[in-house]
Amino acid sequence: GAGVSQTPSNKVTEKGKYVELRCDPISGHTALYWYRQSLGQGPEFLIYFQGTGAADDSGLPNDRFFAVRPEGSVSTLKIQRTERGDSAVYLCASSHPDSSYNEQFFGPGTRLTVL
Amino acid sequence: GENVEQHPSTLSVQEGDSAVIKCTYSDSASNYFPWYKQELGKRPQLIIDIRSNVGEKKDQRIAVTLNKTAKHFSLHITETQPEDSAVYFCAASETSYDKVIFGPGTSLSVIP
Repeated sequence: GAGVSQTPSNKVTEKGKYVELRCDPISGHTALYWYRQSLGQGPEFLIYFQGTGAADDSGLPNDRFFAVRPEGSVSTLKIQRTERGDSAVYLCASSHPDSSYNEQFFGPGTRLTVL
Repeated sequence: GENVEQHPSTLSVQEGDSAVIKCTYSDSASNYFPWYKQELGKRPQLIIDIRSNVGEKKDQRIAVTLNKTAKHFSLHITETQPEDSAVYFCAASETSYDKVIFGPGTSLSVIP
């Protein structure tokens, strides 16, 4: 079946602009996660959804970052007033908590570059 | 919050030799420890995981060990092959469907 997909694959924007990054999880996966990975570092947790609600948003760096998942499937990560330090690969993952093997499956990521 | 440390940051081995990567974690509430492999420009992929009720787990050439008392866990790759070359991340989580806290990664190079 189809894996986790993310769009766009690359996004270049100017400092101060608003961006939206989209994640399509694996069908039936109720848990969805956003991570951010800077060059040479491990993925850094941002936010986790269980269904439509944010179960844990403790990783969002500040109030410029916001994520939604209105119907419990697709999620959008929104970044306002982008800064150069926001440049990174934004990874989305999904998992099915009811399965016996609760692997988080990652998408290919969106590479965000803020000029 | 949880903090995961990992070493070495880079590791170079001859093909056929073993590779060992060690990690420590800080939160005693962590009970799930996955290991991810990330090839250049690709997404992280789970290669093996271990839960806190198990001290060791093996899958072909890969094995993981966990010492909950010391908050240490390790990845062992035997009979390394060039295709094992990648960045490996250890991670920790309270449950297998909770947020995952990643270590900084180990870049493994297997020299033919």
